[in-house]
Amino acid sequence: GAVVSQHPSRVICKSGTSVKIECRSLDFQATTMFWYRQFPKKSLMLMATSNEGSKATYEQGVEKDKFLINHASLTLSTLTVTSAHPEDSSFYICSAGQVGGEKLFFGSGTQLSVL
Amino acid sequence: QQQVKQSPQSLIVQKGGISIINCAYENTAFDYFPWYQQFPGKGPALLIAIRPDVSEKKEGRFTISFNKSAKQFSLHIMDSQPGDSATYFCAASKLKSGGYQKVTFGIGTKLQVIP
Repeated sequence: GAVVSQHPSRVICKSGTSVKIECRSLDFQATTMFWYRQFPKKSLMLMATSNEGSKATYEQGVEKDKFLINHASLTLSTLTVTSAHPEDSSFYICSAGQVGGEKLFFGSGTQLSVL
Repeated sequence: QQQVKQSPQSLIVQKGGISIINCAYENTAFDYFPWYQQFPGKGPALLIAIRPDVSEKKEGRFTISFNKSAKQFSLHIMDSQPGDSATYFCAASKLKSGGYQKVTFGIGTKLQVIP
């Protein structure tokens, strides 16, 4: 199957700093990528839909100024958590699909811990 | 409003037994029903998926049964193995030409297969 690479897998940062998470589709082009947040033992919560070359669409209740999403190319989307606070600590996962396909492929996730 | 209801939330099965996870959906516009397997600290991986025009799909030890009139679908894991111990998510989405609609996930089922 197609591979989605997510980096870093784990990050620890101080409160008030910004953290960038990268999501790359390695062997296919992805016009659409999705960003999720997952709390321990909980389901995935969609945060935003990232479309190449246009603004991301955020789900209700997700602060777009806090979670900046950039989808600059067909193989790369980034999520930047700005001015991170302890309550932003979570597992963040991206997913991407092939153009014209129906399957979604997920990255391995990023565990963010804000001290 | 939970659009995809999943049960049970946890399941313990003896090695060699059959694991059954059930899901029900509300939105009749959904036309793609994937199941994902997630190990701790990893992103979900697509296991098997079904479209509503078929009632059953089998891939190896994994089978999806789909009941369109009841708006229900289930995952059966035959000959369950300790390596199948993971969290399983059912999901639903409405595919669109040339792109994706967002995926709605069930709450997840933590499966434990004991020797």
